[in-house]
Amino acid sequence: SQKIEQNSEALNIQEGKTATLTCNYTNYSPAYLQWYRQDPGRGPVFLLLIRENEKEKRKERLKVTFDTTLKQSLFHITASQPADSATYLCALDEDSSYKLIFGSGTRLLVRP
Amino acid sequence: DAGITQSPRHKVTETGTPVTLRCHQTENHRYMYWYRQDPGHGLRLIHYSYGVKDTDKGEVSDGYSVSRSKTEDFLLTLESATSSQTSVYFCAISPGTGEGEKLFFGSGTQLSVL
Repeated sequence: SQKIEQNSEALNIQEGKTATLTCNYTNYSPAYLQWYRQDPGRGPVFLLLIRENEKEKRKERLKVTFDTTLKQSLFHITASQPADSATYLCALDEDSSYKLIFGSGTRLLVRP
Repeated sequence: DAGITQSPRHKVTETGTPVTLRCHQTENHRYMYWYRQDPGHGLRLIHYSYGVKDTDKGEVSDGYSVSRSKTEDFLLTLESATSSQTSVYFCAISPGTGEGEKLFFGSGTQLSVL
């Protein structure tokens, strides 16, 4: 069956450290993968998109990698801040369509 | 929230009653989506639309129907609400001009079916 897996346990780190979140998928062949941030009581907000032919993408303190052989994406936040505390969701396309399928998300807590 | 309005924001209803949720956009985007979000399941696609009167099913479409008679409005109907449909419902839109486009989400509707 098709699955997208993100660590359901919260990631708790100290301010200033790098947070690394993982997204693994099975039985999908996505053309791209996206990462979103969701705060409590709000809708998800788009952060980054990486395509299958890209190994790495950066935006300010954010970095995403995409390994189609391992079927895995890593999402890094460097120099993390308490304001980065949120749930982070990965999403990928189903069969190169406009249907975006989401993982269940990982909650990040950054301690001051 | 990128010109997306969901209504109502909160609704409590009884089992067996029909419920309609509305998503209205002012961005003139082609694609519109309905997702539900539940603890442990994340966001699951219910239905989506790729144009006026053009819709398709998502992974959890049973018990739901949709309609899109105008570009700006996408309605989600629960014909006969059940307690398992208690959830937070999110509408999302995307331009539909190219592959890999990001979604813009509304603020969500909290639906409780008693």
